[in-house]
Amino acid sequence: QKEVEQNSGPLSVPEGAIASLNCTYSDRGSQSFFWYRQYSGKSPELIMSIYSNGDKEDGRFTAQLNKASQYVSLLIRDSQPSDSATYLCAVNSNRIKAAGNKLTFGGGTRVLVKP
Amino acid sequence: DGGITQSPKYLFRKEGQNVTLSCEQNLNHDAMYWYRQDPGQGLRLIYYSQIVNDFQKGDIAEGYSVSREKKESFPLTVTSAQKNPTAFYLCASSIGRGAGELFFGEGSRLTVL
Repeated sequence: QKEVEQNSGPLSVPEGAIASLNCTYSDRGSQSFFWYRQYSGKSPELIMSIYSNGDKEDGRFTAQLNKASQYVSLLIRDSQPSDSATYLCAVNSNRIKAAGNKLTFGGGTRVLVKP
Repeated sequence: DGGITQSPKYLFRKEGQNVTLSCEQNLNHDAMYWYRQDPGQGLRLIYYSQIVNDFQKGDIAEGYSVSREKKESFPLTVTSAQKNPTAFYLCASSIGRGAGELFFGEGSRLTVL
């Protein structure tokens, strides 16, 4: 079982619709969760971080965390063609604090927003 | 402007040659990281460093080496021992040892001919 799993997609959504992305993780002790957006050929950029159960909203993005079920999701409201990218889920696997901070990334979900 | 600078952006290498990828940051971040990304894949951690003169192996360190002689700099050497070095290499930094919010450089794309 991969430590962080995402559906690779592509997830095709019409412009203006809601895109829903899911991510599951295996380490029950994980405490920090991140969503990165990566345009083709570019480096990832952080769009959301979430640390506690529930929802966190930032503009058109909402991150949802459920530690009991070990999943984190990202909703993109009013999807725009400029949202077409790969979205990477990352989990802080810091079970051993002496080992420092390490992020484990999922394989990413490719999102295509069609006008 | 603060940021992370990686060079070169594109690099071609013949089999059996070592190459060094540069990563410099002026964000005053403590921690720095090297990730590798293969086409259609997520990021895999090669090495990371929490403080100067100290670094730890990530999940795929074999065939790579790093140094951290200055806070600002974290170069990665891809040695001839790395069996499949063609990939997109990403350097990142974070504010502190416990931070998970990474800032990435633009990446270096290495192709072995």
